Amino acid sequence: QKEVEQNSGPLSVPEGAIASLNCTYSDRVSQSFFWYRQYSGKSPELIMSIYSNGDKEDGRFTAQLNKASQYVSLLIRDSQPSDSATYLCALGRGSEKLVFGKGTKLTVNP
Amino acid sequence: EAQVTQNPRYLITVTGKKLTVTCSQNMNHEYMSWYRQDPGLGLRQIYYSMNVEVTDKGDVPEGYKVSRKEKRNFPLILESPSPNQTSLYFCASSPEPSGGSYEQYFGPGTRLTVT
Repeated sequence: QKEVEQNSGPLSVPEGAIASLNCTYSDRVSQSFFWYRQYSGKSPELIMSIYSNGDKEDGRFTAQLNKASQYVSLLIRDSQPSDSATYLCALGRGSEKLVFGKGTKLTVNP
Repeated sequence: EAQVTQNPRYLITVTGKKLTVTCSQNMNHEYMSWYRQDPGLGLRQIYYSMNVEVTDKGDVPEGYKVSRKEKRNFPLILESPSPNQTSLYFCASSPEPSGGSYEQYFGPGTRLTVT
């Protein structure tokens, strides 16, 4: 199993809908998890960090972490066309690095 | 403005011609790292540094060198570039020395083409 797995998509949702992005990971030791948004040709931009089980909300974004099941998800409510991007899931491996998934491409249709 | 800057943003070069990509951050961050991003392979770490004069290899260090003489700068050096180093490169920094467990902030990227 790859260290961080994401469905590559593309995931297509209509404007105003909830977009659900999922990520599974294999390293049970990881304690820190992140969601980045990357527009085409641009750098990754941090959206959310989550360190403990449960939900964490920030505006239209909610991150969910379940360490027992080894998954982390990102919900985007009231999706906008400007949310169309690739979303990268990352986890902290020790103190050295982030390990990234390959990303899920999201398209929000007007 | 708090930021990570990289130069150049775009570079086309020839095989074997040494080059340096600069990275600088103005946030007084302890941790800095270099990644490359390739289609189908995602972001992979090249080198990282937890503090001045402390650097270590990431997942794909072959063909690259780095140095960390000052806290704010972390240049990436390609002594003899080859076409397989054609990629999009990102520098990142984090306020904590243990940057792997903390938020990292990325520079704008450098698109390198080696012919």
